[in-house]
Amino acid sequence: DAKTTQPNSMESNEEEPVHLPCNHSTISGTDYIHWYRQLPSQGPEYVIHGLTSNVNNRMASLAIAEDRKSSTLILHRATLRDAAVYYCILNQGGKLIFGQGTELSVKP
Amino acid sequence: SQTIHQWPATLVQPVGSPLSLECTVEGTSNPNLYWYRQAAGRGLQLLFYSVGIGQISSEVPQNLSASRPQDRQFILSSKKLLLSDSGFYLCAWETGTSASGELFFGEGSRLTVL
Repeated sequence: DAKTTQPNSMESNEEEPVHLPCNHSTISGTDYIHWYRQLPSQGPEYVIHGLTSNVNNRMASLAIAEDRKSSTLILHRATLRDAAVYYCILNQGGKLIFGQGTELSVKP
Repeated sequence: SQTIHQWPATLVQPVGSPLSLECTVEGTSNPNLYWYRQAAGRGLQLLFYSVGIGQISSEVPQNLSASRPQDRQFILSSKKLLLSDSGFYLCAWETGTSASGELFFGEGSRLTVL
């Protein structure tokens, strides 16, 4: 299974942008890059996904490197409700294998 | 709209007792279904997935089993629980036709084995 590598934790200030990095150097050509986030005692919530091109939705933006070996989740203006564990995952044939994720804390 | 439900939400079981966690999905047909476990700390471990009735794939050898008796029902079971079975169990579904595989998770079932 291809792995992803993320920093264990990150801090952000409220109202500032946040860039969450992810390395996936063993990604295959057909693997989608997914991001989920999880609040305490809740199931993970889908954030965004992409294959090659950068993607935007109401929650975040996903910037994918040209060689697809890394990606960055961008929260344009962090709020206190964005504090969560963020998982970067490769979708390999329909199975999502979650890593340890990045715990994002947001300071007021 | 599609919804997913898991129950029970919490349970405390003695070692050696049986387990049955249920998950149902509404508003869709022929979903792919998944059971994950999250132990203390982070990271979700994929336990089982199913692409159809009676079709179960196991990702990790263990004393748990899964069954899919109906299209939108997924059950996680054990005949004899171990202490190490404690954790937060999550059911998830995705449309069987989606190549991108967005997963929708249930509320989770927190199991404590004593």
